[in-house]
Amino acid sequence: DAVMTQSPLSLPVTLGQPASISCSSSQSLVHSDGNTYLNWFQQRPGQSPRRLIYKVSNRDSGVPERFSGSGSGTDFTLKISRVEAEDVGVYYCMQGTHWPRVTFGQGTKLEIK
Amino acid sequence: EVQVVESGGGLVQPGGSLRLSCAASGFTFSSYSMNWVRQAPGKGLEWLSYINPGSSTIYYADSVKGRFTVSRDNAKNSLYLQMNSLRAEDMAVYYCALSVVPTAIRCGMDVWGQGTTVTVSS
Repeated sequence: DAVMTQSPLSLPVTLGQPASISCSSSQSLVHSDGNTYLNWFQQRPGQSPRRLIYKVSNRDSGVPERFSGSGSGTDFTLKISRVEAEDVGVYYCMQGTHWPRVTFGQGTKLEIK
Repeated sequence: EVQVVESGGGLVQPGGSLRLSCAASGFTFSSYSMNWVRQAPGKGLEWLSYINPGSSTIYYADSVKGRFTVSRDNAKNSLYLQMNSLRAEDMAVYYCALSVVPTAIRCGMDVWGQGTTVTVSS
């Protein structure tokens, strides 16, 4: 299985400052169809997961523009341009390239400093 | 509104069984593949199972293969997870989830329920 490794695991950020989360895969996430199925999820405290970004950089409907995704091959990044209080939670990357062997990263907990 | 609601969680003894349900509404259930994902207390997300619209394609994670069985009843807009031989490590919140936009499962699930909690303890 593709092992997804996130860093950092804990991310204290000052309100209004940028934040960046890395996700690295043990295998290339480029699918034979040419797409890279690396997705990002947010889980606010006490809530269900919510997908933010799919296929590396496609923002879901309703997701603020301050969230952006980038990367290729095995290394990917989720960036928040200016952190707001509502961004507190745990962020997960997930690879779907090797479906059905879907795997998630271990999660990065974002908190306000 | 597209919605899925899980139920059936509870306390069960090690070795016991439990059947989870997921009621779907707001979309044509019979046209969408469905998934089960779980989250152990304080832990991350673990994909468990996939079933396609016609129930002809089913997949399981290795951790539950042979013990859990996914099924669906399109006439009742419902998804199920039969869990047998439960272990302490199966204790988790269980989510039903699907991919609506886009529909490709490789893009991850954009619709999630609120989850149902399974506690395995004697």
